[in-house]
Amino acid sequence: DAGITQSPRHKVTETGTPVTLRCHQTENHRYMYWYRQDPGHGLRLIHYSYGVKDTDKGEVSDGYSVSRSKTEDFLLTLESATSSQTSVYFCAISPDLTGAHEQYFGPGTRLTVT
Amino acid sequence: AQSVTQLDSQVPVFEEAPVELRCNYSSSVSVYLFWYVQYPNQGLQLLLKYLSGSTLVESINGFEAEFNKSQTSFHLRKPSVHISDTAEYFCAVSELGGGSQGNLIFGKGTKLSVKP
Repeated sequence: DAGITQSPRHKVTETGTPVTLRCHQTENHRYMYWYRQDPGHGLRLIHYSYGVKDTDKGEVSDGYSVSRSKTEDFLLTLESATSSQTSVYFCAISPDLTGAHEQYFGPGTRLTVT
Repeated sequence: AQSVTQLDSQVPVFEEAPVELRCNYSSSVSVYLFWYVQYPNQGLQLLLKYLSGSTLVESINGFEAEFNKSQTSFHLRKPSVHISDTAEYFCAVSELGGGSQGNLIFGKGTKLSVKP
């Protein structure tokens, strides 16, 4: 398994509070991604990073921000959590050595916003 | 890739029966193709991939998929399924020359349920 960890694995928070999810990799891969998974929607890309301090928006970026100050860490922040952000969040990494961008996923964080 | 369609949201089959999970994509350029598997309460695992070369690719646990360019399909098959194959399967596509992001586009998943 690719060396990817996510923390916390589970979190319950209240509407309006800030939340930060962490993704940590030990593979030294260049690309990192944050997805959310919801029933009936599959996986949707929130933000991605193509290098330290290089990030961009994905399909569902509203209400989320990211930061990548080190190759190994990619943080996802919900500035003011809402119930619609209740979801399972997955981090993924990719070395992109072939240009195909095959991705390897972390175990996920289950976030509940009450 | 513009979109990825997994034609069946749920596929129930009996143990030892064959199964096919269908995936179609739309894109105006060449693509790379992937199948991922997600077991309950786990992350996604890469099952197999088509990058180039032979259009038939295989996984270590007996699954295979065939890239059909004319039909823009990448269906996943297994001749005899096991209870342990029960999981959700996701088809994904990235485009050749997809720029710095090279993002994968995922289908909405197919839940395979293998019954004894």
